[in-house]
Amino acid sequence: DTAVSQTPKYLVTQMGNDKSIKCEQNLGHDTMYWYKQDSKKFLKIMFSYNNKELIINETVPNRFSPKSPDKAHLNLHINSLELGDSAVYFCASSQGVPLPGELFFGEGSRLTVL
Amino acid sequence: DAKTTQPPSMDCAEGRAANLPCNHSTISGNEYVYWYRQIHSQGPQYIIHGLKNNETNEMASLIITEDRKSSTLILPHATLRDTAVYYCIVSSGQGGKLIFGQGTELSVKP
Repeated sequence: DTAVSQTPKYLVTQMGNDKSIKCEQNLGHDTMYWYKQDSKKFLKIMFSYNNKELIINETVPNRFSPKSPDKAHLNLHINSLELGDSAVYFCASSQGVPLPGELFFGEGSRLTVL
Repeated sequence: DAKTTQPPSMDCAEGRAANLPCNHSTISGNEYVYWYRQIHSQGPQYIIHGLKNNETNEMASLIITEDRKSSTLILPHATLRDTAVYYCIVSSGQGGKLIFGQGTELSVKP
């Protein structure tokens, strides 16, 4: 049973389109995250939510809008996609803030913008 | 959060211990040392974390120097499946924020 699952795993789309990536965790955690890994393999935090409340927003363009309908889900919607948005997006979860003993990551969603 | 410095790559023979160093000379008193790894095309995986004392779990051991300015992750008997990028992260964990650097690419060879 996958702990943190993301869909879709691969996404190829045209510039200017709007797309969403979904994330669900079945670990009972109260904090969820989105990380972005670019072509140079740098992994950067984008957002984190604790009990559906936004606690980190790392100066991400407002074309990116996370939505947390409940503690187990954190979706990422991206408007007006640009070439530079091509990356692998990882969802993660943890129990507790401020000190997560362990982040559990999903397998990633590879977004390619043409 | 304090920055870390790791060698970009290391090799290790299968069955031998892999010792991965990390420098974090600007670490603050409330910052933990975390280690994660990322096997190709997978999500990062937590390995271990510690504050001051050495820590051991089923995956690895973490040795932190007394002044806390450096640490070493030890994989006691490396296997081919341990080939991955290993990230050393120093963080107070405020807001759950972990900043990943470039990491060390460990290649375990037969």
